[in-house]
Amino acid sequence: GDSVTQMEGPVTLSEEAFLTINCTYTATGYPSLFWYVQYPGEGLQLLLKATKADDKGSNKGFEATYRKETTSFHLEKGSVQVSDSAVYFCALRSGYNKLIFGAGTRLAVHP
Amino acid sequence: DVKVTQSSRYLVKRTGEKVFLECVQDMDHENMFWYRQDPGLGLRLIYFSYDVKMKEKGDIPEGYSVSREKKERFSLILESASTNQTSMYLCASSPSGQENSPLHFGNGTRLTVT
Repeated sequence: GDSVTQMEGPVTLSEEAFLTINCTYTATGYPSLFWYVQYPGEGLQLLLKATKADDKGSNKGFEATYRKETTSFHLEKGSVQVSDSAVYFCALRSGYNKLIFGAGTRLAVHP
Repeated sequence: DVKVTQSSRYLVKRTGEKVFLECVQDMDHENMFWYRQDPGLGLRLIYFSYDVKMKEKGDIPEGYSVSREKKERFSLILESASTNQTSMYLCASSPSGQENSPLHFGNGTRLTVT
């Protein structure tokens, strides 16, 4: 069945460091791909999305490119801030209604 | 802004109790979902509903049931709570007819079963 695999955390970085969180997927067809973020004490919120191959989603300085050839959707940010500390989830839409999530990657950014 | 409200932030129940988790959304969304979130496992879909009185099993429906009597409200029911149902429960909603629309999540209910 469809699945999402993302790198285990926690990822610990200093402020202004470069961030990459890896995400790969297995799916039939051409799923839409998403990154959600969960700040402490809150529910998940959409960070960015891409709906077809080679699309780049971007928001708040974060970017991810839908790579069909490597079945990947890695999340990147050039310069992280303390306020980016959160848990990040990669997800794909499987079928009309269903989102399948990865296990989540916790990011901790220190001043 | 879409608001998804879960009635309890924290809940402590005893083994064998019947537990109701309530979720209300204010954007007239057709689709509603219940996920549980566990460390290292991410979010797993328990049940979802695409219309009033309609429901579909997700990936882990065992031990749970749901109720959708009104469009804005989706309840998750633990018929007889067990310790392995201690978890964070997240409700979400989305409109139908928009395949790539995001899910809007509530802030979660952390349930502890003792």
